[in-house]
Amino acid sequence: DAGVIQSPRHEVTEMGQEVTLRCKPISGHNSLFWYRQTMMRGLELLIYFNNNVPIDDSGMPEDRFSAKMPNASFSTLKIQPSEPRDSAVYFCASSPGTGRGTGANVLTFGAGSRLTVL
Amino acid sequence: AQSVTQLGSHVSVSEGALVLLRCNYSSSVPPYLFWYVQYPNQGLQLLLKYTTGATLVKGINGFEAEFKKSETSFHLTKPSAHMSDAAEYFCAVSRNTGGFKTIFGAGTRLFVKA
Repeated sequence: DAGVIQSPRHEVTEMGQEVTLRCKPISGHNSLFWYRQTMMRGLELLIYFNNNVPIDDSGMPEDRFSAKMPNASFSTLKIQPSEPRDSAVYFCASSPGTGRGTGANVLTFGAGSRLTVL
Repeated sequence: AQSVTQLGSHVSVSEGALVLLRCNYSSSVPPYLFWYVQYPNQGLQLLLKYTTGATLVKGINGFEAEFKKSETSFHLTKPSAHMSDAAEYFCAVSRNTGGFKTIFGAGTRLFVKA
C-alpha cells in the first residue's frame, strides 16, 4: 500500500482565496482524521470520520472550514475564505477502525500539506 | 473528556545517556495510549502503544513506556540515546467513540548532543 496520500504538499495562496486539501486513506481503513499543526497550538484534531460519516467536528475552527468524505477512498478539507492565521501544516491520518483487532486505533499519517496564506 | 500533558517542550541529552520523556493523561474511561515520533518535514509514526495487558510496552528503536494507572502517566524511556533519536515525540490518548478519537499532547523535542 502507498500509505496515506495527501495533496498538494505545498500551497501558497492569498487571503480570501479558497483552499482545498485532499486525502486518500489506506485502503480498508474505516476511520479518517484531519489534524492541523502549528508552532503555537501544536497538533489539533479538526474532524474525524468513521465509515465516511463525520463523528466529531468540534475542532473545526469556524464556519470557513468544511470537510467531506464522499466515499471510503477520498476526503477533502476546504477553507473558504482563507486567512493568514490558517497557515499551518494539515495532516490527514487513517486507522483500521473499530473491531479491527489490536491495531484498530493506530493512526497512519500522510506527509502533510503545508499551507501558507499571504 | 480526554487530554494529554507532556512535561517539557524541549529535552536535551548526551549521546549514550538515558532518555526520559514525560506524559500524563486524563481520561474518563480506561484509555488507549500511544507515543508517536515525528522527523522533520514528515508525518507522525507510531513508536509504541498500550491497549490492555502488560503495562510495560516495548516499541521500535529501543524505546519503551510504562502505563501507571495510579499516576495517570505513560512516560517514554530509552536506556541509551543515539543521534538518530533527535526528533519530536508526541504522546496521545484515544478511546472508542464510534471510531477512535485520538488527542495528542503538545510534543517534546528531543535534542541529542555528541
